[in-house]
Amino acid sequence: KAGVTQTPRYLIKTRGQQVTLSCSPISGHRSVSWYQQTPGQGLQFLFEYFSETQRNKGNFPGRFSGRQFSNSRSEMNVSTLELGDSALYLCASSRTGDQPQHFGDGTRLSIL
Amino acid sequence: AQSVSQHNHHVILSEAASLELGCNYSYGGTVNLFWYVQYPGQHLQLLLKYFSGDPLVKGIKGFEAEFIKSKFSFNLRKPSVQWSDTAEYFCAVNPSGGGADGLTFGKGTHLIIQP
Repeated sequence: KAGVTQTPRYLIKTRGQQVTLSCSPISGHRSVSWYQQTPGQGLQFLFEYFSETQRNKGNFPGRFSGRQFSNSRSEMNVSTLELGDSALYLCASSRTGDQPQHFGDGTRLSIL
Repeated sequence: AQSVSQHNHHVILSEAASLELGCNYSYGGTVNLFWYVQYPGQHLQLLLKYFSGDPLVKGIKGFEAEFIKSKFSFNLRKPSVQWSDTAEYFCAVNPSGGGADGLTFGKGTHLIIQP
């Protein structure tokens, strides 16, 4: 059974640009959550999608957005990138959101 | 909003030593509790979870954790650690019954096992 797949694995961007990250959940999982991991703040919840609807959002600015497609795949977009957005972005999936989440390897985003 | 506190940021033990990693959470309602592990170069993996029932839960690789509701604690234990247990350990919580709520993680404990 394939795990959670995130692409790309690494990204380098400059300030002011925007970026889109992709996540394919485990087959049959309809809930997809996104997290940001940094050395200073640790793992922080960004948002969760279920059946193409955002159900909850963490405490991040509106520059962070996402969407989910009918096949449960999800994308996260960050606009007007700032140096502080450099982080590992993790995607996690579960069947409905109540079950334990399964994590992908993450996308490491570096802002120059 | 909930919060999670892990008491030790770095722990160094010798092989065969016993392990206990502390985790306390703050939340006014009932919660689901988790321990995740991140081995070097690998993704986060679920070690064990508590939703309800027996407060002593057993996970993979010989780990267990005990939920003590009165202390808002969910400490992770292993009687005899191995070199392969070297990893980052994260305690996490989310409100039970609220599938939309993301996990709130502790800052993690970096465990190093010396051979």
